[in-house]
Amino acid sequence: EAGVAQSPRYKIIEKRQSVAFWCNPISGHATLYWYQQILGQGPKLLIQFQNNGVVDDSQLPKDRFSAERLKGVDSTLKIQPAKLEDSAVYLCASSLRGAAYNEQFFGPGTRLTVL
Amino acid sequence: KNEVEQSPQNLTAQEGEFITINCSYSVGISALHWLQQHPGGGIVSLFMLSSGKKKHGRLIATINIQEKHSSLHITASHPRDSAVYICAVRNGNQFYFGTGTSLTVIP
Repeated sequence: EAGVAQSPRYKIIEKRQSVAFWCNPISGHATLYWYQQILGQGPKLLIQFQNNGVVDDSQLPKDRFSAERLKGVDSTLKIQPAKLEDSAVYLCASSLRGAAYNEQFFGPGTRLTVL
Repeated sequence: KNEVEQSPQNLTAQEGEFITINCSYSVGISALHWLQQHPGGGIVSLFMLSSGKKKHGRLIATINIQEKHSSLHITASHPRDSAVYICAVRNGNQFYFGTGTSLTVIP
């Protein structure tokens, strides 16, 4: 079974530029999560999708971050414009359903460096 | 104060040692996860539990709901176990993550 795919693996941009990350979850997984993990910290949930609908985006900085999952399969996360403090690893995860007892499977992450 | 606290933050062990990583949480939970993160960022889910104990190979996870505490044990540790181990709890749609325990197992 193929895992969660993410691209790119690494990205370096200058502040005020825009960047987009892509995630393809495990086939058949209805729930998709985007996390931000700053160096030395645990992951922080940015947004959770159930199919193509948003379940929770309470911690997404909506003035600069946006995410979509238009067809309920793959997803993109965009930052526009980027700030220095956005440097982090952006992790995508998926689960079969969003219920609490469903295991999440994580992608390899995209390491973003903002200069 | 973080909702999820892990200890120790860093741990160095000799190959073959028995290792325990602790996690305490202060919120009500529906499930607790133990995650393993290797250098480079990839995360693997080790366990998801809501009560009792689970075992997978050399790994054992326990949880005490009344005490709001969980432990991850590694028996006969090996250098390939070197990684960051993260405890995470879920309360409805809210996720709370610990900052991780960095484990280094020396041959």
